[in-house]
Amino acid sequence: AQSVTQLGSHVSVSEGALVLLRCNYSSSVPPYLFWYVQYPNQGLQLLLKYTTGATLVKGINGFEAEFKKSETSFHLTKPSAHMSDAAEYFCALGLLTGGTSYGKLTFGQGTILTVHP
Amino acid sequence: NAGVTQTPKFRILKIGQSMTLQCAQDMNHNYMYWYRQDPGMGLKLIYYSVGAGITDKGEVPNGYNVSRSTTEDFPLRLELAAPSQTSVYFCASSYSTWSGPYEQYFGPGTRLTVT
Repeated sequence: AQSVTQLGSHVSVSEGALVLLRCNYSSSVPPYLFWYVQYPNQGLQLLLKYTTGATLVKGINGFEAEFKKSETSFHLTKPSAHMSDAAEYFCALGLLTGGTSYGKLTFGQGTILTVHP
Repeated sequence: NAGVTQTPKFRILKIGQSMTLQCAQDMNHNYMYWYRQDPGMGLKLIYYSVGAGITDKGEVPNGYNVSRSTTEDFPLRLELAAPSQTSVYFCASSYSTWSGPYEQYFGPGTRLTVT
C-alpha cells in the first residue's frame, strides 16, 4: 500500500533562512507527487507537482521540490523564508495505475511552518 | 469561475442530529472527493465519485453517505451525528484520466462541531 511520511510536524525558521520540509513516500508504481499549502481557516492550495520528466519542480511563491526516486523523497525547499510563508504544508501521493486509482491522493500528516522575524 | 464552493462554513450539531454538507464545482471536473481533517492527522478520504451516479467509499466512510446526481454537485450526508464526527470537512474536485491523477482543487471547508 502507498504511504506518505512528512518528517517533523513543526518546523520553525527565521525570516530569510532556508526552508526545508521533508516528505518521503512509499509506492509500488510510479508516483505523482504534490505539495499543498493551507493558510489558517482556508482550503488547500497547490504549490507544485511532479508527474513525469524533470525531477526538479518549481512552484508558486519561490518554492521548489526535487523528486529523488532512489531516496523515495520529495522534499520542499525555499531559499529565503518570508513571514507570509507561515502555514501548514501537505505532501500528497497519487498513483499512475492506468486509471484505477481514480485520482485519489494519499496525504501526509502535515508540517506546520512557523517563521520568526 | 467560483471553483469549489462549500456550505455552510460553520455548523454546530447536537448528538443524533443529521445534516447535509453541500459541495459544488463549476470546472466540469469528473472526479470529486470528500475529506475530513483532524489536527495532526492530515486529510482522510471519506467518499469519492468518478462521475454522476457513481460513488465509492474511501478510507473513513462510516457514518456518512453521498450522492452525485449531477457533475457539479456532491453533497455529504451525516446521519445520527456523533462527537467523533467533529472535524473540518473539505470537498475537492479534479480532472483525471487514464494517464494519471491531476491536481485536486479544494473548497474552503466546513467546520463541524457535534456536542
